[in-house]
Amino acid sequence: EPEVTQTPSHQVTQMGQEVILRCVPISNHLYFYWYRQILGQKVEFLVSFYNNEISEKSEIFDDQFSVERPDGSNFTLKIRSTKLEDSAMYFCASLQGQGSYEQYFGPGTRLTVT
Amino acid sequence: AQSVAQPEDQVNVAEGNPLTVKCTYSVSGNPYLFWYVQYPNRGLQFLLKYITGDNLVKGSYGFEAEFNKSQTSFHLKKPSALVSDSALYFCAVKRGSASKIIFGSGTRLSIRP
Repeated sequence: EPEVTQTPSHQVTQMGQEVILRCVPISNHLYFYWYRQILGQKVEFLVSFYNNEISEKSEIFDDQFSVERPDGSNFTLKIRSTKLEDSAMYFCASLQGQGSYEQYFGPGTRLTVT
Repeated sequence: AQSVAQPEDQVNVAEGNPLTVKCTYSVSGNPYLFWYVQYPNRGLQFLLKYITGDNLVKGSYGFEAEFNKSQTSFHLKKPSALVSDSALYFCAVKRGSASKIIFGSGTRLSIRP
C-alpha cells in the first residue's frame, strides 16, 4: 500500500539554525499538508499546498517557515531560524484530490532544538 | 470557527469490555468527521470517517462511531476492547474535502488485561 514517507525521523539542531524537513507524499496525490504536535499537546495545522502554492496557513506559519515542492516528488518544510519552541513532531500529509476526504499521514519527524 | 472537544484525557477499560471515547464538535455547515489513532512513536493512522449517509460508520480494527447531529457528537466505540487498542485517539473535523483538519486534544485509551 502506498504511504507517505518523511526524513529524517529525528533532527537535532541548535537554536538559530535552519532546518529542512522532507516528505514524499503518495505519488498521485495533489494536496499536501504540514502539521505539528508539541509533546503532549494536540496536533496543529501549519500549512496546506496545492498547485504549487500555499492554499491556507495558520498563525503558527510565520515568515520563518516556508514550503516547497522542488521536484514534483518531495514536499519540504523549511524553518529559517529555529527557536526552542519549534521543538515538536512534524507530520506531513497528502490527499488525493477534491472528493477525497482522507488525509494520509507520514510517520513524522521529531525536531529537537537545543 | 471549527473546533473539536474530547472531554476525557484518559479512558481506562478492562479487556473484553466495551469502550467509548467521546467527541463533540462545532462547525458551520455539514461536518466531515474523523477518528485517528496514534501508537507510541508512530504517525497518525486513519480509523474511520463520517461524510454523509448512515449515522453509524464502521472502521478499522473493529471500531465504529456514531454521528449524532442533534448532540453534535461523534463518539468512538468498540464492543470488546483489546490490550492492543491501547493508544492515543484523536477526533477531528474539517469543512471541505481538501480542507485542513482540526484535531481534538486526544484521549489516551488504556486497556488492562
